[in-house]
Amino acid sequence: AQSVTQLGSHVSVSEGALVLLRCNYSSSVPPYLFWYVQYPNQGLQLLLKYTTGATLVKGINGFEAEFKKSETSFHLTKPSAHMSDAAEYFCGVVGNTPLVFGKGTRLSVIA
Amino acid sequence: DAGVIQSPRHEVTEMGQEVTLRCKPISGHNSLFWYRQTMMRGLELLIYFNNNVPIDDSGMPEDRFSAKMPNASFSTLKIQPSEPRDSAVYFCASSLQSQGPQPQHFGDGTRLSIL
Repeated sequence: AQSVTQLGSHVSVSEGALVLLRCNYSSSVPPYLFWYVQYPNQGLQLLLKYTTGATLVKGINGFEAEFKKSETSFHLTKPSAHMSDAAEYFCGVVGNTPLVFGKGTRLSVIA
Repeated sequence: DAGVIQSPRHEVTEMGQEVTLRCKPISGHNSLFWYRQTMMRGLELLIYFNNNVPIDDSGMPEDRFSAKMPNASFSTLKIQPSEPRDSAVYFCASSLQSQGPQPQHFGDGTRLSIL
């Protein structure tokens, strides 16, 4: 079975600052990795995914993530935070079972 | 394209009552998932179906919960009898496959309050 650890349940950044949300995974088979975003009173929306190939994956809204097998990580970054990025972010892994999510990280953006 | 459609969006009922949550997956998707989200437990997978067949219901909290998928375009999650601790947001998601690189697509959820 696979698992996901998201470091930091709450991250706060200033508008315009770098966003870094951390995700580490474990999987006994080559994983597929996902980042989802949840805005208030909405469902989860896919930000980006890693399947195979290029390890740096670009997603919507200027976000990107890098798959690092040696570190079992899939951290999410955005160079410059915008107020509209305030939301809950979930990292997920698919290995030999369906998608398993981390506990989520709430991102606050300060003006 | 229509996404995953859940109904109702909000449900408030008294404990002991039967609650039925409904989900219409994206057409052509073969897998359907039910999740529960609470502050305490986060996002929990309750059950998932492949081709209308329940594959894993180990996340269903207890016998008061049941889920069905009578056809490819409709699923229900039923709680009978409901209890205040069942209050949560329930999400339905669908995908082309239950494992592999295809992402899950989520509905907007049903916010359930049991008084």
